[in-house]
Order: sequence, then structure tokens, then C-alpha cells
Amino acid sequence: DGGITQSPKYLFRKEGQNVTLSCEQNLNHDAMYWYRQDPGQGLRLIYYSQIVNDFQKGDIAEGYSVSREKKESFPLTVTSAQKNPTAFYLCASSPRQGLTSGNTIYFGEGSWLTVV
Amino acid sequence: GENVEQHPSTLSVQEGDSAVIKCTYSDSASNYFPWYKQELGKRPQLIIDIRSNVGEKKDQRIAVTLNKTAKHFSLHITETQPEDSAVYFCAASSGGSNYKLTFGKGTLLTVNP
Repeated sequence: DGGITQSPKYLFRKEGQNVTLSCEQNLNHDAMYWYRQDPGQGLRLIYYSQIVNDFQKGDIAEGYSVSREKKESFPLTVTSAQKNPTAFYLCASSPRQGLTSGNTIYFGEGSWLTVV
Repeated sequence: GENVEQHPSTLSVQEGDSAVIKCTYSDSASNYFPWYKQELGKRPQLIIDIRSNVGEKKDQRIAVTLNKTAKHFSLHITETQPEDSAVYFCAASSGGSNYKLTFGKGTLLTVNP
């Protein structure tokens, strides 16, 4: 959805460096998510947040960290502990908790991270 | 946790034919099943979804069917067109309060003109 802005779109990182991906939404959505996409792997959940100042680990949280200090912002930091960080990262949001028809997940444009 | 299996991984059809993509899920508590279409290099976009209290839902050339007993659901695209070519993902809600989606690995659909 056009109301979810991710930046940068392309990012190159040297091994051993941390990098932060930005995600901002102006949809007034309560919940936000970070997914990672690798070829042939589908989308895997890294972290999610259902409300400000609260977030939970997803299925592949190791090597990542997040914060949710404002409702509209959910930045993701890829740390040097992430062994294979090269991937396409998708931020998403949903209006409220409790996914269902009319309250589903909408994605941002994504950020490509390459480790060089 | 929830596990979603999606088949086939690739599907090639002739323009005008129908395409069917199937998914199974493991968590009997899941009750929301969306389908997303992703074109190359772009974000996934919702194309249709279904709740567990509904067996079938249709939107023009796209339909989704759900069999809760067997824990599988399918996407049907009729009269396929070249612009239907994309990767399609199924997903199922999981967690006690439906707070996240678990995705299948995707199906690359190619519609040949």
C-alpha cells in the first residue's frame, strides 16, 4: 500500500556492520511487521508489533532487532550477528490486531539488502 | 506453530486456460486465509481472502475454496491472461488472536500467450 514507506530501497553492507532499515506508515495502523523474503522460501516473519512500545519475535528473529517508539515507525536493525543477511526485506502493517477480511496485512515496497 | 505447504512451485498454462494452486495448513485454529500476488521486484498485494466460516469466495476470474476438515484451500484463476503471470502466495493466520500470517513458499505462474 502506498501508505507504507520503506527506505532505502537498495542497501549494501560490509560484513560485520550493522544496518537499519526504515519503515514508516501513515495509515494509522496499530500493528506492524517485518518479513524476510529469499528465493524459493516465501515470506518469513522476523518481528511484529501489535502496539507502541511492544514487539514480539517472529520465526527468524536471531540477528535482528526492532523498536516501536512511535505508532507510525518500526525500524529494523540487521546486526552483524545475522549470518546470511542478503535478502529482500518487507515491512507491513495491519489496521488492528486480529487478522481477518477487512483487517489484513499490507506491504511496503521492500528493501534489498546485499552484504559485500 | 503453523506450517503452510503450497503446490505446485511452478505452473505454466496457456492463455485462456485455468490455473489452480493448492495449499494445506497444519493449525486447526487458523481461520483466515489470504492470497497475495507478487510481480517481479514488487511488493505482494492481496488479491482475495477467505474466512473459515465460508467455503468459497469469488471475485471475477479469481476464486478461493476452503475445506476446513481437510485443512486445505485453493486458488482458482479462470480465463488466464499474460498479466496474471506472477508469484502467488497463500497464507494462514496463526496465533491465538490471529496476530500474524504464515506464508507458503509461493507458486510461479507463467501464462503463455
